[in-house]
Parts: sequence; C-alpha cells; structure tokens
Amino acid sequence: ETGVTQTPRHLVMGMTNKKSLKCEQHLGHNAMYWYKQSAKKPLELMFVYSLEERVENNSVPSRFSPECPNSSHLFLHLHTLQPEDSALYLCASSQERGTDTQYFGPGTRLTVL
Amino acid sequence: GEDVEQSLFLSVREGDSSVINCTYTDSSSTYLYWYKQEPGAGLQLLTYIFSNMDMKQDQRLTVLLNKKDKHLSLRIADTQTGDSAIYFCAVYGGATNKLIFGTGTLLAVQP
Repeated sequence: ETGVTQTPRHLVMGMTNKKSLKCEQHLGHNAMYWYKQSAKKPLELMFVYSLEERVENNSVPSRFSPECPNSSHLFLHLHTLQPEDSALYLCASSQERGTDTQYFGPGTRLTVL
Repeated sequence: GEDVEQSLFLSVREGDSSVINCTYTDSSSTYLYWYKQEPGAGLQLLTYIFSNMDMKQDQRLTVLLNKKDKHLSLRIADTQTGDSAIYFCAVYGGATNKLIFGTGTLLAVQP
C-alpha cells in the first residue's frame, strides 16, 4: 500500500533543532491524522485535520506544530524536542473523519538526542 | 476513558492456526479493525468488521465478534513465517468518536 507516504523515514535531531515531518496521501481523502507510537504504549492520536481544518488536538505540547496546506499534505513541525519525544510518528488518512477506514503511512522514526 | 486490551505475545508453529484476541469497553463501538505492523513499517489494514456482524472471512483470515462480551478475535489459518508481526486491534468508539488502539500482540511463527 503506497497510498500514504512519509518523509523522512528516519530522523535524528538535537533538542535545539527545528525539523519537519511530511506526509502525503494519494487517495483523494479529506481527513488526515498524526499518531505517535512509543514502545509498549498504545498509539496516541495527536492531531486530526478534516478538509484542511484542524478538528482535534489531543493535549499535545506546543513543541509539536501541525500544518495542513491542502487535503493531500500534512506536516508536523518540531522544535526544542525532548528525548522522551523519540518515537515512531505515523500519518494516516481516511475518506472522511469518523468511521471511515484509516490508511497509514510507513512512519518516521524520530530520535531526539 | 475507553480501553482496548490485547495479550502481548503469541507463539505458534508454521502451518498451525493463530488466534489473536481483543477485548474492548465501548459498547457503542461501530467499526472494529485489525492492523498488521511488520518491523520498521507502518500499520497495514488487514480486515474490519461492522458491529452488526458476527463473523467475517477473508481468505486465511477469520474475524469473530461477540458484542455481548465485547470480544473480538482474529484467526489466521495455516500461519506462515511471513505472518510474524505485531497485530493491532482498533475500535471506533461511538462515545469517543476516535479510533482506539490496543497495545498490539506480537505473533512469532516458529518454522
């Protein structure tokens, strides 16, 4: 399944760096999501966008800043991260927000030194 | 909050059937999913079932849903080494309007 792509696949950054994660979906979907996957914890939903509008923000620290310039692209801007932010960041999309099936990208493995 | 529970680990021999179990708490759940995650990869949708169904079969995969007990299972027939992965149960909750994931079950297939 290559409908959802993410770049970069791996990222190592220092705590003072600024970087961005990119997600692109080629499925014509209207909703996009960011999830965080940490070891031994369930997937945590971070942000939800529907038709380029943020509809959900689940108490995520402000050092994570999402951007959705159009319905095909989603970014996660990172700055002054902490080592505990190291995780796999997964992007997903669905036709509409709600019960429609979510399709996931391969993820970005982030390591914060 | 709503919860989805899975056992952490299952080991089977190649050719045997695997059964991965999941329990959930949201009785208003409408859609229930199984995803597969191989090492270094994202989540791959395997199958899903609507809450008004008891069973769904798709080639080697059989999903059983017991709504009364809030129990979902995934049976993989003739398990192969390529089936080794982490399997996630995910439940779309009417109460939360979110997709809630379990912690995943690591399936190890022994040759």
